[in-house]
Amino acid sequence: ETGVTQTPRHLVMGMTNKKSLKCEQHLGHNAMYWYKQSAKKPLELMFVYSLEERVENNSVPSRFSPECPNSSHLFLHLHTLQPEDSALYLCASSHGSGIRSYNEQFFGPGTRLTVL
Amino acid sequence: AQSVAQPEDQVNVAEGNPLTVKCTYSVSGNPYLFWYVQYPNRGLQFLLKYITGDNLVKGSYGFEAEFNKSQTSFHLKKPSALVSDSALYFCAVNRDNYGQNFVFGPGTRLSVLP
Repeated sequence: ETGVTQTPRHLVMGMTNKKSLKCEQHLGHNAMYWYKQSAKKPLELMFVYSLEERVENNSVPSRFSPECPNSSHLFLHLHTLQPEDSALYLCASSHGSGIRSYNEQFFGPGTRLTVL
Repeated sequence: AQSVAQPEDQVNVAEGNPLTVKCTYSVSGNPYLFWYVQYPNRGLQFLLKYITGDNLVKGSYGFEAEFNKSQTSFHLKKPSALVSDSALYFCAVNRDNYGQNFVFGPGTRLSVLP
């Protein structure tokens, strides 16, 4: 893999559960991202953290709550999800922060989430 | 707003033949363009990018892409396809001074037939 790890790789949860996804990057990057990948839909950017500060929040429902305690770790806290939230959740990281947007991203393998 | 189109859901090519995966974009200002590949049960892997300079960009695994400003295109190419190139390919765009808000295309599934 590319130096970005995600746990768990698979998660099945009920609509009333609370769970968290974890991402860790070992590349010395200072920007981290959460994406949602659903079947037959483009990759959706959910959140961006740059230097541990949230800089993008693309109209994501409040049942998804990100946390970035330091530049190497990123969490996505989940609660009262809906079946349509079932998807592959990808974490990524990159060099650069702020307005610099030409650095490629390195992705983790993703967490396959199923909401029953 | 910026957007990316990949007009083909699926591209089939015989092994050894050249391949092209198409991408067109819409962005105001100078675009930054990327290609990524996704193999089954894996995250996306970076292939190449165009920032500025030569319109022909060379990347990993023998792939290259040509930036065409007048046609707002950034097609991915490879002179000789391998069966192992079979995967899902994504084009992405951002623009200068716009932070980290990348936009990805819907993806094109490439199948290389032996």
